[in-house]
Amino acid sequence: SAVISQKPSRDICQRGTSLTIQCQVDSQVTMMFWYRQQPGQSLTLIATANQGSEATYESGFVIDKFPISRPNLTFSTLTVSNMSPEDSSIYLCSVVTVAYNEQFFGPGTRLTVL
Amino acid sequence: AQTVTQSQPEMSVQEAETVTLSCTYDTSESDYYLFWYKQPPSRQMILVIRQEAYKQQNATENRFSVNFQKAAKSFSLKISDSQLGDAAMYFCAYRSWTSGTYKYIFGTGTRLKVLA
Repeated sequence: SAVISQKPSRDICQRGTSLTIQCQVDSQVTMMFWYRQQPGQSLTLIATANQGSEATYESGFVIDKFPISRPNLTFSTLTVSNMSPEDSSIYLCSVVTVAYNEQFFGPGTRLTVL
Repeated sequence: AQTVTQSQPEMSVQEAETVTLSCTYDTSESDYYLFWYKQPPSRQMILVIRQEAYKQQNATENRFSVNFQKAAKSFSLKISDSQLGDAAMYFCAYRSWTSGTYKYIFGTGTRLKVLA
């Protein structure tokens, strides 16, 4: 399996500021995803961050608002820029390992924007 | 576009009883995977069971089994001998291979309560 850690686990931020969320995986993975989950609701894919290519954003999400870095096969960051209260959510990092043909999730980052 | 529908926002089951969670999906693809994920209150998502579309045999993992009806595009999860630890949000998910990567689509989830 793949063990994923995220930092920070939670944060409270002021509107207009930016927060960078880190995702660290204990093994090399090609496919990595960033999701947003409102409390008690489903997961919405923000972007796919596969190593070796530019991040691909889903409809409704743009690079200026959610820039992503993927410098290597074990690490990625998602930045939530110019935050507003509507950005308050849980942000989840996940990876797919070819060996296990399975998607593993990080513990999430709970973001509150005041 | 593919869609995943979970029509039961919440379900309850008595401990040791059996419960079935429903999931339907829509796709024009023939090759895909279906998954059930569990998200306990601690919020870490974990895989419960998966089904490959080309396999007719229903997947089983201990107390968890699925009823996969490909023609009807239905993928229900049966939990037998329910335990208190089964209480969680359950998400049905569809996976396809698109533009060189996997793409997952999640349903809205079913909150399962287990009554002692």
